[in-house]
Amino acid sequence: SAVISQKPSRDICQRGTSLTIQCQVDSQVTMMFWYRQQPGQSLTLIATANQGSEATYESGFVIDKFPISRPNLTFSTLTVSNMSPEDSSIYLCSVGAGGTYEQYFGPGTRLTVT
Amino acid sequence: EDQVTQSPEALRLQEGESSSLNCSYTVSGLRGLFWYRQDPGKGPEFLFTLYSAGEEKEKERLKATLTKKESFLHITAPKPEDSATYLCAVQADTGFQKLVFGTGTRLLVSP
Repeated sequence: SAVISQKPSRDICQRGTSLTIQCQVDSQVTMMFWYRQQPGQSLTLIATANQGSEATYESGFVIDKFPISRPNLTFSTLTVSNMSPEDSSIYLCSVGAGGTYEQYFGPGTRLTVT
Repeated sequence: EDQVTQSPEALRLQEGESSSLNCSYTVSGLRGLFWYRQDPGKGPEFLFTLYSAGEEKEKERLKATLTKKESFLHITAPKPEDSATYLCAVQADTGFQKLVFGTGTRLLVSP
């Protein structure tokens, strides 16, 4: 399976600011995904990011709040914009395994907004 | 709307005491059901994929089974290192690969 890293691993941010989370994979992958895991809740898909096309957002998530870049087949960023305390969560990227429908997850970014 | 419900929310076992975790799901058309293990402060670790009713998969002390409405994760003679949160997710057979997760079962195995 792919080795996935995320930066930063955690951060504490002031409300109204923005944070960009990076996701790096050690091999080329077509599909990358961004999930949110709020305290006590299940993982929820924010958007799917395919290289060469615009990200596809799930209901309840908008590009202005969560802009995503996918410049190549090994890298993606998720920005959390104009943050509020409700954005405090763990943000996880995952990649699709070639040939199967499995997804492998990065270690996550723990974000606290004060 | 696709949904996944896991039970129990938490489970405490003694080392060697076997048990099962349940994952009930509703999905328009099932492409696959996935089990993950998540340790505190880490991302989910992939365990199994099940594609059709009647399918079973095993890995060490874990065995996953699938019916048309639910999946079970059987843990045989668990050890303290099996303590983790176990997540179940489904993927519908649409053109997208979105995973819909349950809230997980927190398993604690005491020595």
